[in-house]
Amino acid sequence: DTAVSQTPKYLVTQMGNDKSIKCEQNLGHDTMYWYKQDSKKFLKIMFSYNNKELIINETVPNRFSPKSPDKAHLNLHINSLELGDSAVYFCASSQGYGLRSGGYTFGSGTRLTVV
Amino acid sequence: GNSVTQMEGPVTLSEEAFLTINCTYTATGYPSLFWYVQYPGEGLQLLLKATKADDKGSNKGFEATYRKETTSFHLEKGSVQVSDSAVYFCALYDSGGGADGLTFGKGTHLIIQP
Repeated sequence: DTAVSQTPKYLVTQMGNDKSIKCEQNLGHDTMYWYKQDSKKFLKIMFSYNNKELIINETVPNRFSPKSPDKAHLNLHINSLELGDSAVYFCASSQGYGLRSGGYTFGSGTRLTVV
Repeated sequence: GNSVTQMEGPVTLSEEAFLTINCTYTATGYPSLFWYVQYPGEGLQLLLKATKADDKGSNKGFEATYRKETTSFHLEKGSVQVSDSAVYFCALYDSGGGADGLTFGKGTHLIIQP
């Protein structure tokens, strides 16, 4: 019974393609996030959604767009994929705007490889 | 802005050795501090946390104390096991920083040899 689940786990695709990564959480949390982990393991926040409202949009290319159909889902769409987009993408969730829960719950990651 | 600095890895120790992974931070407000662990091929898991000065977070034999005077949150364990091999991330959340989300350090890869 996975708390935060991402699909697919692995994604290999060619440059220029458009792809999506899905994320679902069954914790009842109302805030969800996308993080990018590069080859050196550095984690950087990309987006977060609270009650269907975007509350962070870091300096990521506009080829990346988050979509949240409801508070249990936050999908990541990527257009015109580039080699530099290769990374592991982690979805996470927390309760409340901010960190009242004291921590985030992370998914197991999606390893994206652009060739 | 906020930042977290961790010691560079990899850190290689023998089983039952004492572990310290240093972490220092800068923050605009009064942050909460966390250690996360990432086992090979898995996502990050919260290991422990501390929300105010002098708090000690502990879990699975790991400890870290929130030191406001030195802006540090060093991770310690008295006797490490091979199963502790993983990447450890120090992180902070600062509600006064004007943005949401955790700020992570770059991670420290820990390797425990039998």
